[in-house]
Amino acid sequence: AQSVSQHNHHVILSEAASLELGCNYSYGGTVNLFWYVQYPGQHLQLLLKYFSGDPLVKGIKGFEAEFIKSKFSFNLRKPSVQWSDTAEYFCAVYTSGTYKYIFGTGTRLKVLA
Amino acid sequence: KAGVTQTPRYLIKTRGQQVTLSCSPISGHRSVSWYQQTPGQGLQFLFEYFSETQRNKGNFPGRFSGRQFSNSRSEMNVSTLELGDSALYLCASSSQGRNTEAFFGQGTRLTVV
Repeated sequence: AQSVSQHNHHVILSEAASLELGCNYSYGGTVNLFWYVQYPGQHLQLLLKYFSGDPLVKGIKGFEAEFIKSKFSFNLRKPSVQWSDTAEYFCAVYTSGTYKYIFGTGTRLKVLA
Repeated sequence: KAGVTQTPRYLIKTRGQQVTLSCSPISGHRSVSWYQQTPGQGLQFLFEYFSETQRNKGNFPGRFSGRQFSNSRSEMNVSTLELGDSALYLCASSSQGRNTEAFFGQGTRLTVV
């Protein structure tokens, strides 16, 4: 069965620290990959997406992610976090023909000012 | 362009009752999917509809059902509510096509007492 694993459930960082959130998926075929963010009290918003091409994708607010096919990974990075990045981050996979997104369990990021 | 609209935002129901949640997708989007979000479980796929047809269903009991109307609006129904059904129910819409993303509504917070 397809699945998505996010290794870090809770992360606490100080402002200006670098961030890397891990995401691994299990599926042997073609996938579309996403990172969504949920700020407190707000709806899920798309941070970035990968469909094909350059495996390094850039998203909003300085986030980027790298797709490594051989490792089935799609890790999220940001060089310098801000207090406003405090949120929950979800990695998701979409496979053609299933019509569904499979989400990881999420990572709660708290950035200390 | 209006986003995905879910009503109501909050609901409190008693065990054994039934509930209907509504979702209006982004104009032009014909795919609507539903997810259940609970702490620690992340987002679990309930079902997906396209042009009034259910194309996929998640691993939920038959008490969970849904439908889509000709204007793409969707409803989900939960009958014989249980305490464990307390969750945030999210609706997402997307356009047809291989490389698309899902846009999420604010969700309906259901509390079963």
